[in-house]
Amino acid sequence: GAGVSQSPSNKVTEKGKDVELRCDPISGHTALYWYRQSLGQGLEFLIYFQGNSAPDKSGLPSDRFSAERTGGSVSTLTIQRTQQEDSAVYLCASSLSLDTQYFGPGTRLTVL
Amino acid sequence: GNSVTQMEGPVTLSEEAFLTINCTYTATGYPSLFWYVQYPGEGLQLLLKATKADDKGSNKGFEATYRKETTSFHLEKGSVQVSDSAVYFCALRVHNDMRFGAGTRLTVKP
Repeated sequence: GAGVSQSPSNKVTEKGKDVELRCDPISGHTALYWYRQSLGQGLEFLIYFQGNSAPDKSGLPSDRFSAERTGGSVSTLTIQRTQQEDSAVYLCASSLSLDTQYFGPGTRLTVL
Repeated sequence: GNSVTQMEGPVTLSEEAFLTINCTYTATGYPSLFWYVQYPGEGLQLLLKATKADDKGSNKGFEATYRKETTSFHLEKGSVQVSDSAVYFCALRVHNDMRFGAGTRLTVKP
């Protein structure tokens, strides 16, 4: 079946611009996670959605970062006024509640 | 808080060598433990997991045992292959809090 998909696969933007990253989870998965993977670093948790509950935003690094999940399915991560330190691979994962997470291929963001 | 510490790489081995990648954790609750693998050019995928103390996860010749007394979940393989070259991530989950280690890059040479 279809896995987690993310778009775009690569995004190059100028400092100060806003970007939107999209995640399509596996159909029926109630949980959705966003992570950031910087060069040579592990995965940094950003935000977690579970069903209709309020999202866990505790990992968002600043108020320039926000995310939403419409209809319990597709999620969009928005970064406003991008900075060079935002350059990273942004990974999305989905799961059935607290079960194994399935990862998408990621979006590589480069801020010039 | 919850955190994972894993052996820093890179690790370079010859084919058929024995592999150990150390992983220790700190958790406020009773975690499930995971090893994820990221092959070159691919996304992360689950390699194995264990959900309670003394459980052994295994897959593709890799094994890891959940050791509560030492708060460890070391990854082992008796004979690595070139195709095992990848980045390996140790992770834990306590409720909806998922934490990953920094990753260990493994290169296996023929």
